[in-house]
Amino acid sequence: GAGVSQTPSNKVTEKGKYVELRCDPISGHTALYWYRQSLGQGPEFLIYFQGTGAADDSGLPNDRFFAVRPEGSVSTLKIQRTERGDSAVYLCASSPGGQGNTGELFFGEGSRLTVL
Amino acid sequence: LAKTTQPISMDSYEGQEVNITCSHNNIATNDYITWYQQFPSQGPRFIIQGYKTKVTNEVASLFIPADRKSSTLSLPRVSLSDTAVYYCLVGAMDSSYKLIFGSGTRLLVRP
Repeated sequence: GAGVSQTPSNKVTEKGKYVELRCDPISGHTALYWYRQSLGQGPEFLIYFQGTGAADDSGLPNDRFFAVRPEGSVSTLKIQRTERGDSAVYLCASSPGGQGNTGELFFGEGSRLTVL
Repeated sequence: LAKTTQPISMDSYEGQEVNITCSHNNIATNDYITWYQQFPSQGPRFIIQGYKTKVTNEVASLFIPADRKSSTLSLPRVSLSDTAVYYCLVGAMDSSYKLIFGSGTRLLVRP
């Protein structure tokens, strides 16, 4: 597709369950970002990939959160033992990365996670 | 990364010019200033970016004074569809580039 695609758009789960959120970046973009946005707040940085490797995971709140990007394209954000406080919109963004950086990130529409 | 401060909310009317000012007193030499717009249930969308002086594109202008400690996003003749949250961010465009969002400015455009 032309833009960043995120699935599912909505996910409702129960406390303690495991969740996976998927991001398909714009083709050719080497940089990929995950953000989390709570109601009424700005997006909060979680992790940044350059290619297959996590260049900066300083925003991951704890070890229940993990993200992978095994082939340098699609990324999966994994949340173990979900808690009600994990409820938020999880946004993915991509950019050309490296020398192609213009400072513009292209965001998907997000995956809304609700933990009951 | 430089912290930014911007008004929590602003009100305007259709057809008016809106100026949203952001302060970033600790901006670093290699930092750029970027503005994003976000509508409900959508991801943020890039509006404009600049380093110094003035930048203009088809949707907005960005004014940056010489000391770069603040910047002003100018939206000419706003319409109802400009109602959104506007974020001001600063960061260096290098290999570790990432954006740190604040709480943004909620702009409400009234008829």
